[in-house]
Amino acid sequence: ETGVTQTPRHLVMGMTNKKSLKCEQHLGHNAMYWYKQSAKKPLELMFVYNFKEQTENNSVPSRFSPECPNSSHLFLHLHTLQPEDSALYLCASSRRLAGGFDEQFFGPGTRLTVL
Amino acid sequence: AQSVTQLGSHVSVSEGALVLLRCNYSSSVPPYLFWYVQYPNQGLQLLLKYTTGATLVKGINGFEAEFKKSETSFHLTKPSAHMSDAAEYFCAVSDQQTGANNLFFGTGTRLTVIP
Repeated sequence: ETGVTQTPRHLVMGMTNKKSLKCEQHLGHNAMYWYKQSAKKPLELMFVYNFKEQTENNSVPSRFSPECPNSSHLFLHLHTLQPEDSALYLCASSRRLAGGFDEQFFGPGTRLTVL
Repeated sequence: AQSVTQLGSHVSVSEGALVLLRCNYSSSVPPYLFWYVQYPNQGLQLLLKYTTGATLVKGINGFEAEFKKSETSFHLTKPSAHMSDAAEYFCAVSDQQTGANNLFFGTGTRLTVIP
């Protein structure tokens, strides 16, 4: 596997279910991100992890719970979601340089439908 | 705060015609600018980026963009459209202080190429 992979690619869940999205990067990067992509809206940055530490949480509801056990893996745990949470969830990674720039590489996304 | 405006949510061009996708940004500090492309059922792929130096940036698949500070613009162009260019294109901005750790995306422009 190369690049950034995400599983599952499609997920349908009820509002009372608990599920998890998984992201894995094979690029040796040390920063990972979760984005939400909804129709007609800009990509919304949800969480940022730098060196496994969460550095950004853009007012995301607590029904979304991220986990970053190591610099290669990122999870998004989902529980008691709402239909408006249906969207494409994208994972990305980048190489964090001291005071510097790095571009983000994206996975293919998980298409989530909440019934 | 930073933001991106992409004029035209849909653009249609004939095969072989010039492609022009518009992006204007707002940033209080020197920006880093990006264009990403998203094909159906895929994640975002970096087309090109501007950080510092030459203001005309060349990317993959024959695309290029020019950073114009006076116009706060970073329009994407390609001299001759190909059918395979049909996709959604996203402009994004970050800044030199934080690097690409915090990207702000536009709402995207869907490019249709007419045979």
